[in-house]
Amino acid sequence: RKEVEQDPGPFNVPEGATVAFNCTYSNSASQSFFWYRQDCRKEPKLLMSVYSSGNEDGRFTAQLNRASQYISLLIRDSKLSDSATYLCVVTIGSSNTGKLIFGQGTTLQVKP
Amino acid sequence: NAGVTQTPKFRVLKTGQSMTLLCAQDMNHEYMYWYRQDPGMGLRLIHYSVGEGTTAKGEVPDGYNVSRLKKQNFLLGLESAAPSQTSVYFCASSYSGTVNTEAFFGQGTRLTVV
Repeated sequence: RKEVEQDPGPFNVPEGATVAFNCTYSNSASQSFFWYRQDCRKEPKLLMSVYSSGNEDGRFTAQLNRASQYISLLIRDSKLSDSATYLCVVTIGSSNTGKLIFGQGTTLQVKP
Repeated sequence: NAGVTQTPKFRVLKTGQSMTLLCAQDMNHEYMYWYRQDPGMGLRLIHYSVGEGTTAKGEVPDGYNVSRLKKQNFLLGLESAAPSQTSVYFCASSYSGTVNTEAFFGQGTRLTVV
């Protein structure tokens, strides 16, 4: 079983739609959680960290459910520029041995 | 502000050849990582380092070696390249490995082994 799992999609949505992605992780000792965005043939870049209390950044909302070991990302009012692959990332290990583990990514295509 | 720089950006190797990929960061980060990305597989961790002089294996270390002789550099070596190592390689660095610290990535190295 992969340590971090995501539905690869693709998710095809019209502009203005609300779309949600989920991600599950298998290691209950996971400490930090993130969503990264990757554009085609580019490097991943941090979209947002995910906190236990949930957090929002503009049209993006991230939630963490430690009991069920899943993370979600909600995008409201989708824009064409939101088309990308969204990577769920989990840090596993202690403060001096932690490593970043990526899910395979969920592809979003926003259509006009 | 260079951030994370990878060299080379593209390379074609013949089976059995060796090469070294260089990752350099100028942010004084402790942690550095090497990933490979293949279609449908996401980013898989090859090796990582939590500080100068230390390295550790990731998910897919076989066929690769690494060294972190200087804090700012993390080298990935392929001793005898195989077609299965055709991939896009990304290097990343972060201040630490936990506590919501952001990882910064290089632009990637596209390696083809024929």
